[in-house]
Amino acid sequence: DIQLTQSPSFLSASVGDRVTITCRASQGISSYLAWYQQKPGKAPKVLIYAASTLQSGVPSRFSGSRSGTEFTLTISSLQPEDFATYYCQQLSSYPLITFGQGTRLEIK
Amino acid sequence: EVQLVESGGGLVQPGGSLRLSCAASGFNVSDNYITWVRQAPGKGLEWVSVIYSDGRTYYADSLKGRFTISRDNSRNTLYFQMNSLRGEDTAVYYCARERVVYGDYVRHDAFDIWGQGTMVTVSS
Repeated sequence: DIQLTQSPSFLSASVGDRVTITCRASQGISSYLAWYQQKPGKAPKVLIYAASTLQSGVPSRFSGSRSGTEFTLTISSLQPEDFATYYCQQLSSYPLITFGQGTRLEIK
Repeated sequence: EVQLVESGGGLVQPGGSLRLSCAASGFNVSDNYITWVRQAPGKGLEWVSVIYSDGRTYYADSLKGRFTISRDNSRNTLYFQMNSLRGEDTAVYYCARERVVYGDYVRHDAFDIWGQGTMVTVSS
């Protein structure tokens, strides 16, 4: 199975900060990676797919990139509504999809 | 409006069964890949099953043949039959539509439409 390791697991930041979340795959997955945002009691929402393509309707402060098997989600200027848990997901070994363990982003 | 609505969750005893439903609107389930994802309380997301547009089905190894995914095209609804339930199956179950691009090959991009989730609690 392909494992995804997110770091950090917990992040405390302030409104206006630039934050980066990393997702490392245990083997090559090309660009078959998506990022999701989940707020308490709600379903996940896709932000980025194909490693760096912004989902329609998602603010441009969100961006994704890839370097080999390391992927990053960047929020350029945190807004109050961005405080949530973020997950990466690999679809390379479809249908055996896996998610990262999540990164909880909280207000400092 | 394009949406998915789950139902059927509840409290069930260990060893019992439950059938979840996932009703779609705004698109045809028969033309799409629909997946089930679960989330145990306070935990992360776990993919559990998918039904392809051509009807093929796949399951996570952890389910060990206890669960069955199906669909009724006339009702535009997915079902998830869960048997021999265990405490570790306690979770919110989400159905989700996959964003798929058809070209020289089928590319699976993400899960773009999610239901609101339905809670399954397995306890005596």
